[in-house]
Amino acid sequence: KAGVTQTPRYLIKTRGQQVTLSCSPISGHRSVSWYQQTPGQGLQFLFEYFSETQRNKGNFPGRFSGRQFSNSRSEMNVSTLELGDSALYLCASSPRWDYGYTFGSGTRLTVV
Amino acid sequence: AQKVTQAQTEISVVEKEDVTLDCVYETRDTTYYLFWYKQPPSGELVFLIRRNSFDEQNEISGRYSWNFQKSTSSFNFTITASQVVDSAVYFCALSEASGDMNYGGSQGNLIFGKGTKLSVKP
Repeated sequence: KAGVTQTPRYLIKTRGQQVTLSCSPISGHRSVSWYQQTPGQGLQFLFEYFSETQRNKGNFPGRFSGRQFSNSRSEMNVSTLELGDSALYLCASSPRWDYGYTFGSGTRLTVV
Repeated sequence: AQKVTQAQTEISVVEKEDVTLDCVYETRDTTYYLFWYKQPPSGELVFLIRRNSFDEQNEISGRYSWNFQKSTSSFNFTITASQVVDSAVYFCALSEASGDMNYGGSQGNLIFGKGTKLSVKP
């Protein structure tokens, strides 16, 4: 059974650019969440989606956005990148609201 | 407010030692979930256990055991006879379920502790 797949694994972008990260959840999982991990702030919640609807949003600026498609795949976008956006971005999926999440290996974004 | 505290930043043990990772949480809700995840150097968060607030039974899975005590708001994790492969960062997390529980209610966001880096030396 395939796990949560995140692409790309590594990304280097320049300040001011925008970036789109992709997440394919485990087949049959309808809930997808995104987290940002940095050495200073640790793991912080970005968004939660279920059936293409955003259920929860973390405390991040509007430059961070996301969406979920009808096949449960999800993307997150960061516009006008800042150096502080350099982080490991983790996607997680779950089959339903009360199950634990399975995480992907993440996308490591470096902003230079 | 929700909060998870893992007071131990780093722990170093020698193989075969037992080690306990502490986790203390704060929440005002009566319905919540507690988790432990392991993050090896590869970066992926590996799910270890999920416990709801109504189930205070301790759990043992092989060399792993968890002690959930609501009275002290703690959810500690013990590795018995540690092995080098146990070296990783371990995260405790809390979530509060909300929304329509019958249809894709929200599991809520996971509030993670800062993690405990465990190094097991041969």
